[in-house]
Amino acid sequence: GESVGLHLPTLSVQEGDNSIINCAYSNSASDYFIWYKQESGKGPQFIIDIRSNMDKRQGQRVTVLLNKTVKHLSLQIAATQPGDSAVYFCAENEAGNQFYFGTGTSLTVIP
Amino acid sequence: KAGVTQTPRYLIKTRGQQVTLSCSPISGHRSVSWYQQTPGQGLQFLFEYFSETQRNKGNFPGRFSGRQFSNSRSEMNVSTLELGDSALYLCASSLGGGRTEETQYFGPGTRLLVL
Repeated sequence: GESVGLHLPTLSVQEGDNSIINCAYSNSASDYFIWYKQESGKGPQFIIDIRSNMDKRQGQRVTVLLNKTVKHLSLQIAATQPGDSAVYFCAENEAGNQFYFGTGTSLTVIP
Repeated sequence: KAGVTQTPRYLIKTRGQQVTLSCSPISGHRSVSWYQQTPGQGLQFLFEYFSETQRNKGNFPGRFSGRQFSNSRSEMNVSTLELGDSALYLCASSLGGGRTEETQYFGPGTRLLVL
């Protein structure tokens, strides 16, 4: 079956530092990827997405990098804030198929 | 636009009972997907409905079923509940009409506790 794995289950960063959350995926045919943020008691919130014809995409304080050669995805959060504390999931998708999600990385921002 | 809504938000049932959960997608979205989320697990895909038809299905037993109505609202049903069915059930909607319309947006979930 498919697997989308995260390298680190937990990550602690100082407020103001940059955070990097990693994700490995296994399906080389996946061509669409999403990062979600899930706060306690809430559903996952869309952060940013990227398609396989790109290797980098930037949003507000977030950047997603895609390395198709090694099937790796990362989410970079600039100037991390306490409100960024949450669980972050990556998701992969191959056209016509379901999304597969990783187990998540818990990010804790230390004030 | 209103986001994805799910009802009820919390539910307590006992083993052997059945339960029906409801999801209203974002206006204009025609695809609804259901996921089960348990502690220590990622989101496990249950099924996806598009235009009232099941388009994809995950690896869950037949006790888990769903349907979609003509207004794109969806329900999922779990029969003969087991303790292991205790989870957060999430619904996600997308436009669903093509390769650039599959971005999924999630609802707040229904927390189901089976005793």
